[in-house]
Amino acid sequence: DGGITQSPKYLFRKEGQNVTLSCEQNLNHDAMYWYRQDPGQGLRLIYYSQIVNDFQKGDIAEGYSVSREKKESFPLTVTSAQKNPTAFYLCASRSGAEGTGELFFGEGSRLTVL
Amino acid sequence: LAKTTQPISMDSYEGQEVNITCSHNNIATNDYITWYQQFPSQGPRFIIQGYKTKVTNEVASLFIPADRKSSTLSLPRVSLSDTAVYYCLVGVGSSNTGKLIFGQGTTLQVKP
Repeated sequence: DGGITQSPKYLFRKEGQNVTLSCEQNLNHDAMYWYRQDPGQGLRLIYYSQIVNDFQKGDIAEGYSVSREKKESFPLTVTSAQKNPTAFYLCASRSGAEGTGELFFGEGSRLTVL
Repeated sequence: LAKTTQPISMDSYEGQEVNITCSHNNIATNDYITWYQQFPSQGPRFIIQGYKTKVTNEVASLFIPADRKSSTLSLPRVSLSDTAVYYCLVGVGSSNTGKLIFGQGTTLQVKP
């Protein structure tokens, strides 16, 4: 079935460590997004990519990095520079078709810093 | 970029119709309006999308006035399972898939 797969579902990290969250989609979508969600809060945009080998910062990009070497993959690295990384991370993709624009989300990755 | 404003929370009872309004005063000409539903610890899922007037599908209706500066999601006869957070998202529906910013969402609590 087509969809978006995020892994791992749960991740624990020690302070000072970098971690990479995986996001893979087989929907043939051009655009991919990473959002962060804190308890009781809405979704905040970290990075987004509209095409391969190109990406843009969202509202809270500091302490995060991404790459888009393949259309299907958009991994997010949470670096040690991110001061408060404990959160729920959501990856999404979207086709570029005219008149649509529906975002498809993965199941999320919950990162906890110990 | 169009900013959205929604009520933070709403309460309802089973069987009632619920209307959630979203304000988006600076919506662009080619922006579509999309509503999503999110349950705890899950990714949001698409409910309905529209550009103008009224759109209806099997789960909801979306009302958009002529000036498109607001929209109303209507959920008919809600049940306990409709308890969730609802987001209004305004963004480009063309091939220029740009920056998509979510608002705070509306937490709907359905009571028995």
